[in-house]
Amino acid sequence: DAKTTQPPSMDCAEGRAANLPCNHSTISGNEYVYWYRQIHSQGPQYIIHGLKNNETNEMASLIITEDRKSSTLILPHATLRDTAVYYCIVSLLGSARQLTFGSGTQLTVLP
Amino acid sequence: DAMVIQNPRYQVTQFGKPVTLSCSQTLNHNVMYWYQQKSSQAPKLLFHYYDKDFNNEADTPDNFQSRRPNTSFCFLDIRSPGLGDAAMYLCATSAPGRQETQYFGPGTRLLVL
Repeated sequence: DAKTTQPPSMDCAEGRAANLPCNHSTISGNEYVYWYRQIHSQGPQYIIHGLKNNETNEMASLIITEDRKSSTLILPHATLRDTAVYYCIVSLLGSARQLTFGSGTQLTVLP
Repeated sequence: DAMVIQNPRYQVTQFGKPVTLSCSQTLNHNVMYWYQQKSSQAPKLLFHYYDKDFNNEADTPDNFQSRRPNTSFCFLDIRSPGLGDAAMYLCATSAPGRQETQYFGPGTRLLVL
């Protein structure tokens, strides 16, 4: 699986958009980009995933560059409850694919 | 609500005393995973079951074993816990072919005295 690079920490004001970047320059053509988050002392929670098109769901939007070497997770209106470690993971979509977590980005939403 | 359940949330054991952590799921997913997460680190996969097929990660110590008696339950056995095994242990499930997302339980925090 391709390796990802994320900034170790970011701050965001409550109510503003949080834009979390991820570099995955060695991604292969059939690997997906997944985003999970982990609120303190809880298990990780799936947010969104995509292959090459931008994706949006009720939690977030995922913007993948045309060359697929980087992506951005967007939380459109961050709340205090969005404070968490956000993990960007690249993985094949197939049976029982394991997730290899990197170090993630600690997002702190400030009041 | 369908979910992944881990009990207990906190487990204390003594150095060298075997301990078993439990995970159950109501999602009817084929795959169950065990991850270890040490303080301030990312989760690390120990092993997973695809139905009854056990898949061990290459660097998982022999001290860690797992059992899956049926679809709903999976156990993590630590035969002789050391101080370095103190960590959060996370159970997750997934259903191949359904977006491949993993659903995590709340974790069991293991303390080794």
